[in-house]
Amino acid sequence: NAGVTQTPKFRVLKTGQSMTLLCAQDMNHEYMYWYRQDPGMGLRLIHYSVGEGTTAKGEVPDGYNVSRLKKQNFLLGLESAAPSQTSVYFCASSTRTGNYEQYFGPGTRLTVT
Amino acid sequence: AQSVTQPDIHITVSEGASLELRCNYSYGATPYLFWYVQSPGQGLQLLLKYFSGDTLVQGIKGFEAEFKRSQSSFNLRKPSVHWSDAAEYFCAVGINNNDMRFGAGTRLTVKP
Repeated sequence: NAGVTQTPKFRVLKTGQSMTLLCAQDMNHEYMYWYRQDPGMGLRLIHYSVGEGTTAKGEVPDGYNVSRLKKQNFLLGLESAAPSQTSVYFCASSTRTGNYEQYFGPGTRLTVT
Repeated sequence: AQSVTQPDIHITVSEGASLELRCNYSYGATPYLFWYVQSPGQGLQLLLKYFSGDTLVQGIKGFEAEFKRSQSSFNLRKPSVHWSDAAEYFCAVGINNNDMRFGAGTRLTVKP
């Protein structure tokens, strides 16, 4: 049982390049989330999904797109990367019922130059 | 607006000393409350959580936290800190399944 995994672990992009971050979970969780973590700001929600085929905006969605084609996967895309998107990105998942507890992946460190 | 405040950005304690990390929240109802720990280069691991009932909750690694409704606080404590506790600690408030608010974090340094 791997829990929540993220690919890649590290990436360096040039301004204007695009990329996709992959999140996978094997816990059959309905909900999945993408956060970014910046120094002194904690985690901020980018987008989330309450089920396969559905996505919604979080607190800081601009410049990102997401897709949830399969229940176990949640993709985060940057169409045209900007230096302001340099951050550590975390994926998380949770069950639909009960207690709001989220399970986190190990993170992806992205640098945009 | 809902918010979570961790007043201490960085705390240093000696190994074996007691620890208290502060967390205050602003929310109209009683939220679900969490403490997570993040070791360097790692993801977040849940330490403990409060949903209802006994206001003193026990977690992993010897941590506990107390919910005080009158003070809108959920402070994390440990009676004797170990060097391996050095990490960043995040308080979080679960408002609903789509809305988890995190504090900015408190970095803990442990002196030998």
